[in-house]
Amino acid sequence: DGGITQSPKYLFRKEGQNVTLSCEQNLNHDAMYWYRQDPGQGLRLIYYSQIVNDFQKGDIAEGYSVSREKKESFPLTVTSAQKNPTAFYLCASSPGGTGNQPQHFGDGTRLSIL
Amino acid sequence: AQSVTQLDSQVPVFEEAPVELRCNYSSSVSVYLFWYVQYPNQGLQLLLKYLSGSTLVESINGFEAEFNKSQTSFHLRKPSVHISDTAEYFCAALPLSGGYNKLIFGAGTRLAVHP
Repeated sequence: DGGITQSPKYLFRKEGQNVTLSCEQNLNHDAMYWYRQDPGQGLRLIYYSQIVNDFQKGDIAEGYSVSREKKESFPLTVTSAQKNPTAFYLCASSPGGTGNQPQHFGDGTRLSIL
Repeated sequence: AQSVTQLDSQVPVFEEAPVELRCNYSSSVSVYLFWYVQYPNQGLQLLLKYLSGSTLVESINGFEAEFNKSQTSFHLRKPSVHISDTAEYFCAALPLSGGYNKLIFGAGTRLAVHP
């Protein structure tokens, strides 16, 4: 079955440590996205990529970095500069590069601070 | 600026009762509209969408939503809910302004169905 796979499901970070969240899709979608979800705040866009080797900052990109070296992969690194990283992180993809298609979501990674 | 407002953060309801989850949007351009459902510790699943055509759209599990342009609303309804409908529901709007269009989410409504 086609879909989006996020790993790990749960992740713990120590102070001052960078961690990388994996997102892989086999839907042949051009566009991929990373969102952060906090209780009562809905989803906020961190980064998005419309095509391989290109990505753009979303609304809350500070303290995060991404890469898009392959169409199917869009890893997110939470750096030590992100002072409040505890959240649920969701990866999504959509067919079109202009974003005007429904987005498909992975099952998320829950990041906590030790 | 575009925005999506979900008017209720929580909606408790008894099983087999009807429910309405309210969503209003604000946009200076035309929009596509979506409802997503999220079960605990899972991602979002597309429930239904309005792109064009008939203003009443339906999902396969009995939900429906009506696009009302004059009231800028896209409320989600179900005539009889089940325990399994307990989840968080997100309304989202996609403004069609050319180029890349960012999906804008509401804050979510937590539907709790009680026996």
